[in-house]
Amino acid sequence: GQQVMQIPQYQHVQEGEDFTTYCNSSTTLSNIQWYKQRPGGHPVFLIQLVKSGEVKKQKRLTFQFGEAKKNSSLHITATQTTDVGTYFCAGTNDYKLSFGAGTTVTVRA
Amino acid sequence: DAGVIQSPRHEVTEMGQEVTLRCKPISGHDYLFWYRQTMMRGLELLIYFNNNVPIDDSGMPEDRFSAKMPNASFSTLKIQPSEPRDSAVYFCASSLLARTEAFFGQGTRLTVV
Repeated sequence: GQQVMQIPQYQHVQEGEDFTTYCNSSTTLSNIQWYKQRPGGHPVFLIQLVKSGEVKKQKRLTFQFGEAKKNSSLHITATQTTDVGTYFCAGTNDYKLSFGAGTTVTVRA
Repeated sequence: DAGVIQSPRHEVTEMGQEVTLRCKPISGHDYLFWYRQTMMRGLELLIYFNNNVPIDDSGMPEDRFSAKMPNASFSTLKIQPSEPRDSAVYFCASSLLARTEAFFGQGTRLTVV
């Protein structure tokens, strides 16, 4: 079955630095979604990528979908304390959303 | 719309007891998903419904778990009998169409002692 792998599991970042989290699927995906979950909260949708090679930006966040539609990345520039949380990618191949394990981000002020 | 509403927010129960979790999806959404989140296993899809019909329950751990959606505005996830290993946060989510943004409820934190 479809598996979505996400690395790294943890990311400790100095405030102001950049970082990237990666998502890889064992199968070709119809689309990929990214969610953010704050500590004690629930996953909140950030963005969806559909097209091969698609790149989308949300302020300091840049999302990319691979050419083969089997991988994706989220790059955050100039990390702020508000970026703390767990970032999940979720792939769809049929009608199910399969979540990666998430990257938990902590920020050193 | 108030979003996806789950109840209760917290549930503590004794092993062997029946537990029922409730979910009200966003009005007009055709898809409803039940997820379980633990540190060890992350976010696991348990079951999802399309237009109130269960489509895929392959993620339901065992026969102790059952889910129903009697109408478009209500779903339940039942565990009977509950076990300590069922302790987790259970999320309900809904989406308008297939493969579109999923809106999550606040979750139910279940503790089985």
